Amino acid sequence: EAQVTQNPRYLITVTGKKLTVTCSQNMNHEYMSWYRQDPGLGLRQIYYSMNVEVTDKGDVPEGYKVSRKEKRNFPLILESPSPNQTSLYFCASSYLGQGGKNYGYTFGSGTRLTVV
Amino acid sequence: GQQVMQIPQYQHVQEGEDFTTYCNSSTTLSNIQWYKQRPGGHPVFLIQLVKSGEVKKQKRLTFQFGEAKKNSSLHITATQTTDVGTYFCAGTDSWGKFQFGAGTQVVVTP
Repeated sequence: EAQVTQNPRYLITVTGKKLTVTCSQNMNHEYMSWYRQDPGLGLRQIYYSMNVEVTDKGDVPEGYKVSRKEKRNFPLILESPSPNQTSLYFCASSYLGQGGKNYGYTFGSGTRLTVV
Repeated sequence: GQQVMQIPQYQHVQEGEDFTTYCNSSTTLSNIQWYKQRPGGHPVFLIQLVKSGEVKKQKRLTFQFGEAKKNSSLHITATQTTDVGTYFCAGTDSWGKFQFGAGTQVVVTP
């Protein structure tokens, strides 16, 4: 089954304790992205990657890191989480068309992160 | 920069009624996509519109892309309880920037 798999689904952590949220897709998509979703703010892009070893900042990258060593995996790293990073996080992937346009994202099931 | 705005933010609908949600961009878009997120779920891609004035239908859902490619609408006829959720539009501007709107949360009253 074509899917984007995120882990964990739920995570409670303490301020400053490094964590990684994993994301893997089995559709051979070039484009992968991380979003955070907060009430009233919709989906805001954190980082994206257009291919292996190519990553770039989205709209809200502060406090986050990513890597794209393999095409299928795109982990999100919080080196020193803070309470304002409490949010619902989604990984998404898509094929890339002409001009770098995506053809519609496939989203993972989400990771609800609480930083206390 | 590009801004994608959706109205209304909330929509309460009686089962069986029709409603429309709107998506407006401050800049011309090369495409627009619509997603649905059920409560507790993740966004699911519904459709993409590319051409000026394009209209596409999926059963009771009708999607339209404006002539100027700066706005879009989603019209649902004969609303059912299965239509509950948040509907997001997302557009790509001429520089390739892709942005989601804040969404319209739809509540259906039986």
